[in-house]
Amino acid sequence: GAGVSQTPSNKVTEKGKYVELRCDPISGHTALYWYRQSLGQGPEFLIYFQGTGAADDSGLPNDRFFAVRPEGSVSTLKIQRTERGDSAVYLCASSLRGPLAIGTYNEQFFGPGTRLTVL
Amino acid sequence: GESVGLHLPTLSVQEGDNSIINCAYSNSASDYFIWYKQESGKGPQFIIDIRSNMDKRQGQRVTVLLNKTVKHLSLQIAATQPGDSAVYFCAERPSGTYKYIFGTGTRLKVLA
Repeated sequence: GAGVSQTPSNKVTEKGKYVELRCDPISGHTALYWYRQSLGQGPEFLIYFQGTGAADDSGLPNDRFFAVRPEGSVSTLKIQRTERGDSAVYLCASSLRGPLAIGTYNEQFFGPGTRLTVL
Repeated sequence: GESVGLHLPTLSVQEGDNSIINCAYSNSASDYFIWYKQESGKGPQFIIDIRSNMDKRQGQRVTVLLNKTVKHLSLQIAATQPGDSAVYFCAERPSGTYKYIFGTGTRLKVLA
């Protein structure tokens, strides 16, 4: 079946603008994660959803960042008043169950990412 | 696509040789560890995982070793192939948390 998809694949915006990044997880996956990856770095955890609720948003860098998952499937990461330092690849991942599940149910499948460039 | 790992440590191996990629993890409370492979322009891809109650786990051509005493994780790839060329990340999850913490990565280059 289809994997995790993310749109847009590339987004160029100007400093101070608002952006929305979309993630379509694998159908039936209850857990969804957002990460941010800067050049030459590993992915940095932002937020984890179990169903519709954010179970852990401790990785969001500040209150300009917000994410929603209103129906427990598609998620949107929203960034207000973008800054040049927000430029990165934003990755989304989903798993069948949450990270505390046993066995293969917590394996994360990543999307290709959205490359955000703030000018 | 996005170029991953421009300033990462690089391991170069001859095709057919075995590769060993090392990772030092940070949190002694971590009880679950994963190795990921990331090709340029793509998201990370799960390779193999291991829980803290084990010290070794084998998959197809890959073996993960865990040394909790020194907080060290390694990934061994047998008979390395050109398709194994990528950046490899280890990730840890502190016990009872939902958060995965990724290391900085190692670029593997397979020489023909």
